[in-house]
Amino acid sequence: EDQVTQSPEALRLQEGESSSLNCSYTVSGLRGLFWYRQDPGKGPEFLFTLYSAGEEKEKERLKATLTKKESFLHITAPKPEDSATYLCAVRPYSGGGADGLTFGKGTHLIIQP
Amino acid sequence: DSGVTQTPKHLITATGQRVTLRCSPRSGDLSVYWYQQSLDQGLQFLIQYYNGEERAKGNILERFSAQQFPDLHSELNLSSLELGDSALYFCASSLQDSDNEQFFGPGTRLTVL
Repeated sequence: EDQVTQSPEALRLQEGESSSLNCSYTVSGLRGLFWYRQDPGKGPEFLFTLYSAGEEKEKERLKATLTKKESFLHITAPKPEDSATYLCAVRPYSGGGADGLTFGKGTHLIIQP
Repeated sequence: DSGVTQTPKHLITATGQRVTLRCSPRSGDLSVYWYQQSLDQGLQFLIQYYNGEERAKGNILERFSAQQFPDLHSELNLSSLELGDSALYFCASSLQDSDNEQFFGPGTRLTVL
């Protein structure tokens, strides 16, 4: 069974204090790993897709990396507006090329001014 | 704004009742996915439709059903509602059904009393 585990469950940082969020996964075959940001009461907002080990993607203060067993979301010099829940999801290989995403439970990130 | 719309935003109903949630995908997207988000289970994939046909099923209960219409909008029908069905229900859409990113709507919050 495909599994995604995110750590830590919650993280409180000071503004400007860099850190990393972890996403460990087990899938039969990885077609893609996705990072989303979710604000309270809203739908997840797409951030990144990673397809193969060694791949990296950046967007503003966020950088996502991928290995064969885990992904990291690095946040550099965060600002209060970066406060949100960050969700990791995987899309496994399956017959017919169709499948929903398997999500982790997320990391609740709070950036204090 | 992802371009995915969902109605209604909130729905309050009683146990044993039936409700219908509606989703309009982003313009041009052929694939629609339904997810349920509860506090204890996180985001869980329910079902996927592609161009009017069912493509994949996840953890969808037999009391739940969905369909995608010729204009590509989708409806999720929930019947014989139980207290445990209270959750946020999200619709997501993607261009095709392969490796494309999924874009989420704002969700429908269902409360079963």
